[in-house]
Amino acid sequence: SQQGEEDPQALSIQEGENATMNCSYKTSINNLQWYRQNSGRGLVHLILIRSNEREKHSGRLRVTLDTSKKSSSLLITASRAADTASYFCATDRATDSWGKLQFGAGTQVVVTP
Amino acid sequence: GAGVSQTPSNKVTEKGKYVELRCDPISGHTALYWYRQSLGQGPEFLIYFQGTGAADDSGLPNDRFFAVRPEGSVSTLKIQRTERGDSAVYLCASSPQHSTDTQYFGPGTRLTVL
Repeated sequence: SQQGEEDPQALSIQEGENATMNCSYKTSINNLQWYRQNSGRGLVHLILIRSNEREKHSGRLRVTLDTSKKSSSLLITASRAADTASYFCATDRATDSWGKLQFGAGTQVVVTP
Repeated sequence: GAGVSQTPSNKVTEKGKYVELRCDPISGHTALYWYRQSLGQGPEFLIYFQGTGAADDSGLPNDRFFAVRPEGSVSTLKIQRTERGDSAVYLCASSPQHSTDTQYFGPGTRLTVL
């Protein structure tokens, strides 16, 4: 079973626009991570936010975490064609062995020039 | 330094055959994870090693699946009597020490069972 659910399932935007995707989860977590995947192969780690943090930034990425709503958002600002990929949130559940990530089904982002 | 590597990149086999998938983690990483990703889905956890021992194998779907990491570095995922439903991309990841660290993923092995 998958812990996280991303929304929307797919997103199509133009270069320069911002892209926002959301992740909801069901149980308490130690941390939440966002990954990017190109062409269905290896995942690239983007950002990790711990349960006691509310917001983190990394370059053009901004991640928020609301543990009361069990949700997170990933914002990509000033998108580029190279941002075209699938984006996954993954949670490290407090009830599981540490590091056992639970992934959502992902958001497919297409950025057109 | 080198990232996580996985071999082979693609494996095609026939139903009922035995396969081995190899993962070379980043040097010095003590934690190693295997995930399986079906088309259109996110990765699903299979097993987690801390050093040589399997700390959590709760994600292995059945006893046809087995994984080892005898020297605490390279790991091999073994699948016996493969079934068509085993077709997926098998991903390996490693992390430096404590398992709350970032996980670094390999490129995956695409397994196709005919």
